[in-house]
Amino acid sequence: DARVTQTPRHKVTEMGQEVTMRCQPILGHNTVFWYRQTMMQGLELLAYFRNRAPLDDSGMPKDRFSAEMPDATLATLKIQPSEPRDSAVYFCASGLSVYGYTFGSGTRLTVV
Amino acid sequence: DQQVKQNSPSLSVQEGRISILNCDYTNSMFDYFLWYKKYPAEGPTFLISISSIKDKNEDGRFTVFLNKSAKHLSLHIVPSQPGDSAVYFCAASFSGSARQLTFGSGTQLTVLP
Repeated sequence: DARVTQTPRHKVTEMGQEVTMRCQPILGHNTVFWYRQTMMQGLELLAYFRNRAPLDDSGMPKDRFSAEMPDATLATLKIQPSEPRDSAVYFCASGLSVYGYTFGSGTRLTVV
Repeated sequence: DQQVKQNSPSLSVQEGRISILNCDYTNSMFDYFLWYKKYPAEGPTFLISISSIKDKNEDGRFTVFLNKSAKHLSLHIVPSQPGDSAVYFCAASFSGSARQLTFGSGTQLTVLP
């Protein structure tokens, strides 16, 4: 059963530290999203790749967040420096079209 | 400005009864709508969708209704089961957005046995 794999599942870090979250999309999927879930905003789109090219990262705070796809099997979301307001669950999703996006189980980030 | 809104953060229904979850949107360019279901500690999973050319789509116990003039959609679950207890997210997209999904804030459904 194909799945999107996210690591780590949980991360606790101190304010100011760098955080890197990783995502392995489903093999063959050409579209990768990063979403953040917060209590107030629900699921917010942070960044979006198609065929490894970034299409939209307007949802990300540019000064501290960066998203990359170094190859087709890996997407990364980096926060440097991290702040307590970044605490949330970060989801990666992959698919071939809007009809079949599959989400990973998420990375729960806590910044203290 | 939230383009997709789920105004009810929570809903409780008795097992066997109908659950109705509501969603409103503001962007008239949206032409495809989806519902996702999310259990704790898991990612959202796709449940059902509807294109703007239709006003109803049914899949087993789940039916989605779309009212374009009111910019409103709803998800009906009949009959509701305890296993349906989860957070339900409404999402929307349009072709000009490269098919990225805009999500609502979610509704926690609790089905009471």
